[in-house]
Amino acid sequence: DIVMTQAAFSNPVTLGTSASISCRSSKSLLHSNGITYLYWYLQKPGQSPQLLIYQMSNLASGVPDRFSSSGSGTDFTLRISRVEAEDVGVYYCAQNLELPPTFGGGTKLEIK
Amino acid sequence: EIQLQQSGPELVKPGASVKVSCKASGYSFTDYNMYWVKQSHGKSLEWIGYIDPYNGGTSYNQKFKGKATLTVDKSSSTAFMHLNSLTSEDSAVYYCAREAFTTAFDYWGQGTTLTVSS
Repeated sequence: DIVMTQAAFSNPVTLGTSASISCRSSKSLLHSNGITYLYWYLQKPGQSPQLLIYQMSNLASGVPDRFSSSGSGTDFTLRISRVEAEDVGVYYCAQNLELPPTFGGGTKLEIK
Repeated sequence: EIQLQQSGPELVKPGASVKVSCKASGYSFTDYNMYWVKQSHGKSLEWIGYIDPYNGGTSYNQKFKGKATLTVDKSSSTAFMHLNSLTSEDSAVYYCAREAFTTAFDYWGQGTTLTVSS
Protein backbone atom coordinates (compact mmCIF):
# COMPACT_ATOMS: atom_id res chain seq x y z
CA ASP A 1 0.00 0.00 0.00
CA ILE A 2 1.11 3.58 -0.63
CA VAL A 3 1.93 5.29 2.66
CA MET A 4 1.02 8.95 3.04
CA THR A 5 2.99 10.84 5.69
CA GLN A 6 2.07 14.14 7.35
CA ALA A 7 3.13 16.00 10.43
CA ALA A 8 0.54 15.88 13.21
CA PHE A 9 0.49 19.66 13.71
CA SER A 10 1.24 22.66 11.55
CA ASN A 11 3.50 25.50 12.60
CA PRO A 12 1.29 27.90 14.56
CA VAL A 13 -0.01 30.70 12.37
CA THR A 14 -1.68 34.02 13.01
CA LEU A 15 -5.03 34.71 11.44
CA GLY A 16 -4.57 36.64 8.22
CA THR A 17 -1.16 35.16 7.47
CA SER A 18 -0.17 32.15 5.36
CA ALA A 19 0.11 28.49 6.32
CA SER A 20 1.71 25.52 4.64
CA ILE A 21 1.01 21.85 5.20
CA SER A 22 3.22 19.14 3.79
CA CYS A 23 2.59 15.58 2.69
CA ARG A 24 4.85 12.86 1.37
CA SER A 25 3.95 9.65 -0.43
CA SER A 26 5.96 6.42 -0.43
CA LYS A 27 5.52 6.10 -4.19
CA SER A 28 5.22 8.61 -6.99
CA LEU A 29 1.60 9.60 -7.54
CA LEU A 30 2.30 10.80 -11.07
CA HIS A 31 0.55 8.55 -13.56
CA SER A 32 1.79 8.05 -17.11
CA ASN A 33 -1.25 10.06 -18.25
CA GLY A 34 0.29 13.13 -16.65
CA ILE A 35 -2.19 13.31 -13.75
CA THR A 36 -0.95 13.29 -10.18
CA TYR A 37 -3.51 11.46 -8.05
CA LEU A 38 -3.07 13.50 -4.87
CA TYR A 39 -5.99 15.00 -2.96
CA TRP A 40 -6.48 17.28 0.01
CA TYR A 41 -9.41 17.10 2.41
CA LEU A 42 -10.31 19.23 5.40
CA GLN A 43 -12.21 17.84 8.34
CA LYS A 44 -13.59 20.64 10.46
CA PRO A 45 -14.42 19.85 14.09
CA GLY A 46 -17.46 17.60 14.31
CA GLN A 47 -17.91 17.41 10.54
CA SER A 48 -17.29 15.01 7.70
CA PRO A 49 -14.20 15.49 5.54
CA GLN A 50 -14.65 17.87 2.63
CA LEU A 51 -12.74 17.96 -0.62
CA LEU A 52 -10.40 20.90 -1.12
CA ILE A 53 -8.03 19.92 -3.93
CA TYR A 54 -8.13 17.16 -6.51
CA GLN A 55 -5.40 15.81 -8.77
CA MET A 56 -2.76 17.73 -6.85
CA SER A 57 -3.51 21.27 -7.94
CA ASN A 58 -7.18 21.68 -8.87
CA LEU A 59 -9.48 23.58 -6.56
CA ALA A 60 -12.72 21.78 -5.78
CA SER A 61 -16.00 23.54 -6.41
CA GLY A 62 -16.83 26.18 -3.81
CA VAL A 63 -13.38 26.18 -2.22
CA PRO A 64 -11.91 29.68 -1.74
CA ASP A 65 -8.93 30.52 -3.90
CA ARG A 66 -6.96 31.17 -0.71
CA PHE A 67 -6.20 27.45 -0.99
CA SER A 68 -3.61 26.13 -3.42
CA SER A 69 -1.52 23.01 -3.81
CA SER A 70 1.60 21.97 -5.61
CA GLY A 71 4.25 19.31 -5.56
CA SER A 72 6.35 16.74 -7.31
CA GLY A 73 5.54 13.04 -7.62
CA THR A 74 6.10 12.34 -3.93
CA ASP A 75 6.26 15.64 -2.05
CA PHE A 76 3.30 17.96 -1.82
CA THR A 77 2.37 21.22 -0.15
CA LEU A 78 -1.01 22.74 0.61
CA ARG A 79 -0.89 26.49 1.06
CA ILE A 80 -3.49 28.64 2.72
CA SER A 81 -3.09 32.36 2.23
CA ARG A 82 -4.80 34.74 4.67
CA VAL A 83 -5.83 32.04 7.14
CA GLU A 84 -9.30 32.53 8.56
CA ALA A 85 -10.88 31.11 11.70
CA GLU A 86 -13.11 28.86 9.57
CA ASP A 87 -10.00 27.08 8.22
CA VAL A 88 -9.41 25.37 11.55
CA GLY A 89 -9.48 21.59 11.41
CA VAL A 90 -7.47 18.59 10.34
CA TYR A 91 -6.07 18.48 6.83
CA TYR A 92 -5.64 15.09 5.18
CA CYS A 93 -3.72 14.29 2.05
CA ALA A 94 -4.77 11.18 0.17
CA GLN A 95 -3.86 9.20 -2.90
CA ASN A 96 -6.13 7.42 -5.34
CA LEU A 97 -3.50 6.33 -7.83
CA GLU A 98 -3.99 2.71 -6.91
CA LEU A 99 -6.05 0.59 -4.60
CA PRO A 100 -6.31 0.80 -1.71
CA PRO A 101 -6.78 4.56 -1.55
CA THR A 102 -4.81 5.75 1.45
CA PHE A 103 -4.86 8.83 3.64
CA GLY A 104 -2.20 10.58 5.62
CA GLY A 105 -2.51 10.77 9.37
CA GLY A 106 -3.77 14.34 9.16
CA THR A 107 -2.27 17.71 10.11
CA LYS A 108 -4.08 19.89 12.58
CA LEU A 109 -3.89 23.56 11.69
CA GLU A 110 -2.68 25.45 14.73
CA ILE A 111 -3.71 29.07 15.26
CA LYS A 112 -1.61 31.31 17.52
CA GLU B 1 -28.45 19.52 -4.25
CA ILE B 2 -26.33 16.41 -3.93
CA GLN B 3 -26.68 14.69 -0.56
CA LEU B 4 -25.62 11.44 1.06
CA GLN B 5 -27.82 10.76 4.07
CA GLN B 6 -26.58 8.03 6.39
CA SER B 7 -28.49 6.07 8.97
CA GLY B 8 -28.30 6.96 12.63
CA PRO B 9 -25.92 5.91 15.41
CA GLU B 10 -25.81 2.27 16.40
CA LEU B 11 -25.08 0.62 19.73
CA VAL B 12 -24.60 -3.11 19.33
CA LYS B 13 -23.24 -5.98 21.35
CA PRO B 14 -20.03 -7.83 20.57
CA GLY B 15 -20.58 -10.64 18.10
CA ALA B 16 -23.60 -8.99 16.53
CA SER B 17 -23.84 -7.47 13.07
CA VAL B 18 -25.11 -4.14 11.77
CA LYS B 19 -26.20 -2.64 8.46
CA VAL B 20 -25.46 1.01 7.74
CA SER B 21 -27.27 2.79 4.95
CA CYS B 22 -26.38 5.75 2.74
CA LYS B 23 -29.19 7.28 0.71
CA ALA B 24 -28.07 9.33 -2.26
CA SER B 25 -30.03 12.16 -3.80
CA GLY B 26 -29.50 14.93 -6.31
CA TYR B 27 -27.59 12.91 -8.89
CA SER B 28 -27.74 9.72 -10.95
CA PHE B 29 -26.94 7.07 -8.37
CA THR B 30 -25.67 4.47 -10.81
CA ASP B 31 -23.15 6.80 -12.48
CA TYR B 32 -20.73 7.03 -9.54
CA ASN B 33 -18.91 4.54 -7.38
CA MET B 34 -19.68 4.67 -3.67
CA TYR B 35 -16.84 4.32 -1.22
CA TRP B 36 -16.94 3.50 2.47
CA VAL B 37 -14.39 4.87 4.92
CA LYS B 38 -13.73 4.12 8.60
CA GLN B 39 -12.53 6.69 11.10
CA SER B 40 -11.63 5.30 14.49
CA HIS B 41 -11.85 7.77 17.36
CA GLY B 42 -9.35 10.57 16.94
CA LYS B 43 -7.60 8.77 14.12
CA SER B 44 -7.19 8.99 10.39
CA LEU B 45 -9.30 7.65 7.56
CA GLU B 46 -9.22 4.09 6.32
CA TRP B 47 -10.74 2.79 3.10
CA ILE B 48 -13.07 -0.18 3.52
CA GLY B 49 -14.17 -0.75 -0.05
CA TYR B 50 -16.28 0.51 -2.87
CA ILE B 51 -19.25 -0.57 -4.92
CA ASP B 52 -20.29 0.25 -8.45
CA PRO B 53 -24.04 0.82 -8.12
CA TYR B 54 -24.57 0.19 -11.82
CA ASN B 55 -23.59 -3.48 -11.74
CA GLY B 56 -22.98 -4.19 -8.05
CA GLY B 57 -19.29 -4.81 -8.61
CA THR B 58 -17.20 -4.42 -5.46
CA SER B 59 -13.63 -4.08 -4.32
CA TYR B 60 -12.52 -4.39 -0.70
CA ASN B 61 -9.52 -3.44 1.36
CA GLN B 62 -7.89 -6.74 2.25
CA LYS B 63 -8.20 -5.79 5.91
CA PHE B 64 -12.00 -5.69 5.67
CA LYS B 65 -12.61 -8.76 3.56
CA GLY B 66 -14.96 -11.00 5.53
CA LYS B 67 -15.85 -8.12 7.83
CA ALA B 68 -17.71 -5.79 5.48
CA THR B 69 -20.19 -6.49 2.68
CA LEU B 70 -21.31 -3.71 0.36
CA THR B 71 -24.61 -3.74 -1.49
CA VAL B 72 -26.97 -1.29 -3.16
CA ASP B 73 -30.67 -0.89 -3.80
CA LYS B 74 -30.94 0.98 -7.08
CA SER B 75 -34.68 1.49 -6.68
CA SER B 76 -34.10 3.67 -3.62
CA SER B 77 -30.64 5.00 -4.55
CA THR B 78 -29.28 3.59 -1.32
CA ALA B 79 -25.94 1.96 -0.58
CA PHE B 80 -25.50 -0.38 2.34
CA MET B 81 -22.58 -1.65 4.36
CA HIS B 82 -23.07 -4.76 6.46
CA LEU B 83 -20.51 -5.39 9.21
CA ASN B 84 -20.44 -8.75 10.96
CA SER B 85 -18.90 -10.36 14.03
CA LEU B 86 -18.47 -6.99 15.65
CA THR B 87 -15.81 -6.32 18.27
CA SER B 88 -14.71 -3.19 20.09
CA GLU B 89 -12.19 -2.63 17.28
CA ASP B 90 -15.13 -1.93 14.97
CA SER B 91 -16.29 1.01 17.11
CA ALA B 92 -15.77 4.02 14.84
CA VAL B 93 -17.46 6.53 12.60
CA TYR B 94 -18.24 5.16 9.15
CA TYR B 95 -18.64 7.39 6.13
CA CYS B 96 -19.96 6.82 2.66
CA ALA B 97 -18.42 9.01 -0.01
CA ARG B 98 -19.08 9.45 -3.70
CA GLU B 99 -16.16 9.06 -6.08
CA ALA B 100 -16.21 11.79 -8.70
CA PHE B 101 -15.00 11.34 -12.26
CA THR B 102 -11.84 13.09 -11.03
CA THR B 103 -11.41 10.12 -8.63
CA ALA B 104 -11.77 12.49 -5.70
CA PHE B 105 -14.30 11.86 -2.95
CA ASP B 106 -16.40 14.90 -3.65
CA TYR B 107 -19.44 14.28 -1.44
CA TRP B 108 -19.50 12.61 1.95
CA GLY B 109 -22.27 11.41 4.18
CA GLN B 110 -22.56 12.86 7.66
CA GLY B 111 -21.11 9.70 9.18
CA THR B 112 -22.63 6.90 11.25
CA THR B 113 -21.23 6.28 14.71
CA LEU B 114 -21.00 2.62 15.63
CA THR B 115 -20.38 1.64 19.22
CA VAL B 116 -19.76 -2.00 20.05
CA SER B 117 -20.23 -2.61 23.73
CA SER B 118 -21.83 -5.13 26.02
